Amino acid sequence: DAGITQSPRHKVTETGTPVTLRCHQTENHRYMYWYRQDPGHGLRLIHYSYGVKDTDKGEVSDGYSVSRSKTEDFLLTLESATSSQTSVYFCAISPSPGASYNEQFFGPGTRLTVL
Amino acid sequence: GESVGLHLPTLSVQEGDNSIINCAYSNSASDYFIWYKQESGKGPQFIIDIRSNMDKRQGQRVTVLLNKTVKHLSLQIAATQPGDSAVYFCAENLPGGNKLVFGAGTILRVKS
Repeated sequence: DAGITQSPRHKVTETGTPVTLRCHQTENHRYMYWYRQDPGHGLRLIHYSYGVKDTDKGEVSDGYSVSRSKTEDFLLTLESATSSQTSVYFCAISPSPGASYNEQFFGPGTRLTVL
Repeated sequence: GESVGLHLPTLSVQEGDNSIINCAYSNSASDYFIWYKQESGKGPQFIIDIRSNMDKRQGQRVTVLLNKTVKHLSLQIAATQPGDSAVYFCAENLPGGNKLVFGAGTILRVKS
């Protein structure tokens, strides 16, 4: 998985609790992304980062926040988890510095269940 | 593993046959395209990419064709093998270069 790890790989939590997912890369790539994957929707972008402390929203960012304090780690936080956030979450990285060729490589995913 | 698509189109092919998976993309200004393979319980795996200034690119057993006139992308897999069974989806790079938009995917089933 191109030097990308995600933790935890599986998590079950209750509605209203905070949850943080971690993505760690060893490739020193500048861009990092968080996606969710749901049946019938494919991969949808939540947030992405284009450098340390530089982040931007994707198409489904409501209810999520992110932080990137160092190049190798990108954290996704659900401040108060809801059942609609039950999903499989994927992290991706890209070496492209915002150029036209946005080759992205994906981590193994985190399955999150919110009861 | 998790189900990535309950109602995705399915292509069933016999082992050894060639497979063709199609994708329609949305933005005529998209300048870069990728095909991914996703096996059950795993993350998407990069297969092959193509830039908009090309209409064909070949890899090992795979070929991607790009028709910009009709905004269509196809992935051809030669001599399909059981290990090719997976969900395949295309992605287009929107103008600006930072974001990919993904198709919903096609399930490829290889019959032995």
